[in-house]
Amino acid sequence: AQKITQTQPGMFVQEKEAVTLDCTYDTSDPSYGLFWYKQPSSGEMIFLIYQGSYDQQNATEGRYSLNFQKARKSANLVISASQLGDSAMYFCAMREGRVSNFGNEKLTFGTGTRLTIIP
Amino acid sequence: NAGVTQTPKFQVLKTGQSMTLQCAQDMNHNSMYWYRQDPGMGLRLIYYSASEGTTDKGEVPNGYNVSRLNKREFSLRLESAAPSQTSVYFCASTTSLNIQYFGAGTRLSVL
Repeated sequence: AQKITQTQPGMFVQEKEAVTLDCTYDTSDPSYGLFWYKQPSSGEMIFLIYQGSYDQQNATEGRYSLNFQKARKSANLVISASQLGDSAMYFCAMREGRVSNFGNEKLTFGTGTRLTIIP
Repeated sequence: NAGVTQTPKFQVLKTGQSMTLQCAQDMNHNSMYWYRQDPGMGLRLIYYSASEGTTDKGEVPNGYNVSRLNKREFSLRLESAAPSQTSVYFCASTTSLNIQYFGAGTRLSVL
């Protein structure tokens, strides 16, 4: 079974609208972390936001927020007031297990969603 | 403010040739990783190093070797390149929260 599932291969959204990118995950470990990364056409991977499984509140970073629904095992990324520069691939990823002092837990990535913002 | 630096950015090899991809980080992170990215498959872990002097296999280690030269540097070696190793390779290092920061990537073509 896929550990991270991103069901939207591509999305087109009008500029200034809000966007929700879907991510569901599968783990039996009670300790885990969820991450979102952005990959623009230039190719680099840019960290956006992190949510720990025990975090009580949804994570937010500027225009990015993570809609964390633990019972549904979903961790959707919400981008408010989309901009042309938001056009990119977006990847959801998961770390299973507690964070150790060495931070050596591996990440599992989804296949990504290509977001295109239309002017 | 370099972060994670990968060299080279592009490389073309013939089948059977060898090469080493270099990665260095200046953030004093303990753990470092090598991934490959293929179309439609996201990132897959090749090898990782939890700390200086240790390395472990990831999901797709066959055909690769790694060296953790010191805390800053983690290299990936292809001993005998194959067309199936055509990919984009990313190096990453991680903070204590396991937030991974990536290099700019190496685009490798094996003919």
